[in-house]
Amino acid sequence: ETGVTQTPRHLVMGMTNKKSLKCEQHLGHNAMYWYKQSAKKPLELMFVYNFKEQTENNSVPSRFSPECPNSSHLFLHLHTLQPEDSALYLCASSLGLAGITDTQYFGPGTRLTVL
Amino acid sequence: DQQVKQNSPSLSVQEGRISILNCDYTNSMFDYFLWYKKYPAEGPTFLISISSIKDKNEDGRFTVFLNKSAKHLSLHIVPSQPGDSAVYFCAASAEGAQKLVFGQGTRLTINP
Repeated sequence: ETGVTQTPRHLVMGMTNKKSLKCEQHLGHNAMYWYKQSAKKPLELMFVYNFKEQTENNSVPSRFSPECPNSSHLFLHLHTLQPEDSALYLCASSLGLAGITDTQYFGPGTRLTVL
Repeated sequence: DQQVKQNSPSLSVQEGRISILNCDYTNSMFDYFLWYKKYPAEGPTFLISISSIKDKNEDGRFTVFLNKSAKHLSLHIVPSQPGDSAVYFCAASAEGAQKLVFGQGTRLTINP
């Protein structure tokens, strides 16, 4: 248990559906991240939020829409996804932005399958 | 262009022996390096890190070595235990970059 929870753990959706992934951290951290992990590929950073403000959007398609209402919660809203978006989506948090002193702590991930 | 590379997708080691996982990077601006361990159905767990001002950092059975001139780091686990079987990711960051760059991971299997 790392103090970062994600729901749901598994999600199957059609290409026309709209769904949301939720992440919550109980560590008192200020920065939160969304990553995508596809099979046999490195972890890809999608978004970074620091004190609720988005500081990084790593050229993510607009069919992924993040929301950070406060420093403890992070959402990823999904709509009109493609089958190639099927992957493990990981949320992480850190006390500050990644660097010398700010280690990221990950949630268990949501396994997303787009049909 | 992959800035952090783990060229061995898998590694198999006998219990009790040393496991050595390797990682190469290309960006000379990286100044902080981390190793994460990942079990199936779980998120990555932080294991150990090293700053570029050091060449070695040790924590129990885990030691990370950094060779800046070769842009290479390695993780040594000794003695290896069955519970060490997992996927290991190395990651790097540059000061002010606000993000970690991960390698593809190496699957370590410890055989009894």
